[in-house]
Amino acid sequence: QKEVEQNSGPLSVPEGAIASLNCTYSDRGSQSFFWYRQYSGKSPELIMSIYSNGDKEDGRFTAQLNKASQYVSLLIRDSQPSDSATYLCAVTNWGKLQFGAGTQVVVTP
Amino acid sequence: ETGVTQSPTHLIKTRGQQVTLRCSSQSGHNTVSWYQQALGQGPQFIFQYYREEENGRGNFPPRFSGLQFPNYSSELNVNALELDDSALYLCASAATGDEQYFGPGTRLTVT
Repeated sequence: QKEVEQNSGPLSVPEGAIASLNCTYSDRGSQSFFWYRQYSGKSPELIMSIYSNGDKEDGRFTAQLNKASQYVSLLIRDSQPSDSATYLCAVTNWGKLQFGAGTQVVVTP
Repeated sequence: ETGVTQSPTHLIKTRGQQVTLRCSSQSGHNTVSWYQQALGQGPQFIFQYYREEENGRGNFPPRFSGLQFPNYSSELNVNALELDDSALYLCASAATGDEQYFGPGTRLTVT
């Protein structure tokens, strides 16, 4: 079983719609949770961090964390073509980031 | 921009050779981590340094080694290169807490 799991996609989203990305993790001791965006050929860019259960909003992005279900999600509202990228879920164990394989999002005009 | 730089951008090596990759962190970022990202995969943790001491290591063989220097620079050394070492190598720095910021990466090709 992979420690951090994501649907690989691609997730096709019409422009202006909401993209919903999901992530599950196996280690109940994980303390910190992150979403990174990675454009093709580029390095990961931190877009959201969340540390406690509930929702955290930043602009068009909302991260949701449910530690009991070991589940993290990311919502992208009003999706734009510039949101087309791979989104990586990462969790921290003793300062070490463990990544999922990423979900590719394609926003179609 | 994260303030983290890496060099070189691209590198081609032959199997069996050795390579050194370099990273320069933001001032004040005492923690640096190195990751390997194969095509289509998420980054895999290689090791982490905190104030010049190794502070955790992933599932990579000893031929992967590193150093961190007092001036916030660090390096990743890989000996006896194998074809499977072809990947994007990323360094990430952190100040306090767990938020890590990545450099642009070094694309290594082993032929």
